[in-house]
Order: sequence, then C-alpha cells, then structure tokens
Amino acid sequence: DAKTTQPNSMESNEEEPVHLPCNHSTISGTDYIHWYRQLPSQGPEYVIHGLTSNVNNRMASLAIAEDRKSSTLILHRATLRDAAVYYCIPLRNQFYFGTGTSLTVIP
Amino acid sequence: GAVVSQHPSWVICKSGTSVKIECRSLDFQATTMFWYRQFPKQSLMLMATSNEGSKATYEQGVEKDKFLINHASLTLSTLTVTSAHPEDSSFYICSARQQANSPLHFGNGTRLTVT
Repeated sequence: DAKTTQPNSMESNEEEPVHLPCNHSTISGTDYIHWYRQLPSQGPEYVIHGLTSNVNNRMASLAIAEDRKSSTLILHRATLRDAAVYYCIPLRNQFYFGTGTSLTVIP
Repeated sequence: GAVVSQHPSWVICKSGTSVKIECRSLDFQATTMFWYRQFPKQSLMLMATSNEGSKATYEQGVEKDKFLINHASLTLSTLTVTSAHPEDSSFYICSARQQANSPLHFGNGTRLTVT
C-alpha cells in the first residue's frame, strides 16, 4: 500500500492562503489522491481528489506534482472554520488514515 | 452531496450491556461501508469493512464476536458492541461509498462511554 507523509502540524493566519503538503512517493500510477479533513468531535469530511491534473472545487484546490510523488492541498483563504486535521490518502489505501496535519488558524 | 447519517451521536451504557450504532446512507446506495474507532488525540483506526449481503471483513486485532456488524441493505449498516467494557469507550465512525473509486462519506460519529 502507498504510504504518505504529512507534517504533524501547521499554522496559518486567517484570510491567508494555506498550502498543505503530502508526500506519497510509492503511489501507483492508477491511485487517486484523496484529501479529507476532520473537525473536532466530528466525522471526517471529503475535501477533494485527483489523479494527475490539478483540481479545483468550492472548498479547495489540489496541485499534483508531475511525477505524482507529492501533492499539495491549497486553501485559498483560511478561515477559523478550516481549523481541522487534514488527511491525504491514496485511493487504494483510503481506508487507512495516517496521522494527518493539524491546521491551526490564527485570527 | 452524499449524506451519511449515524445514530446515536452519543450513548452512555453500563459495563456488560450491548450497544447498537446505525449508519445510513441517505441519498445513495452504499456498496461498501466501513467502521472506524478513534481514541482521543489519535487518528482513525479501521475496524472492519462490510459489503451488503455478505460477512464483514475485520482488521487484525478486532474481535468479530465483540463488534458485530450487519449490512443488511444498501443503505444501512449496524455495529453492535456486545458486552461493552470501559476500554470500549471511544468515538465510533462509519463511512460509505457508492462504488470502488468513489470518495468516502462519513457519519458524524458516535461517542460511546461505558461506565
């Protein structure tokens, strides 16, 4: 199974962009990259997913490296409600959650 | 968007009793549902995978006789914690997906406290 590496924690100021990195160097060519986030005391929430091209939706953007060994979740303007743990998960492994990145948004 | 409803959101029970948690996909048919457990300050731990109409597949170390999973329809899966003990106190979360490559959609979790 493809393994992922994410920083344990990050901070951002409110209203500023946030770039959350993920390394998945062992990902296979057909695995999609999924991102989820978990707010305190809630179940995780789907954020975005992609295969090779950059993807945008109403919540975030996903930038995938050309070699697909890494990706970056981009929150264009962080709000206090974006404070959560963000998980990057390859499709084949998407049943298993790593430790994720805990994002703190500073007012 | 796809909605997964989990009930109850919290439950307190006495040691030795059983507790049933329901997970429903409200606006889609879920071919596969997953059950997780999460302890404080930790990540989600997959307990089992269930496919409609077949027996659940449990992760290593998860007792299938203690955590009974039933996936009787394409929109409902249940987890029963039998003979609960204080160490079973945790946050239980279900998720569901429509098909193999679909994203997972999660319930809001059930906080179980065993006294």
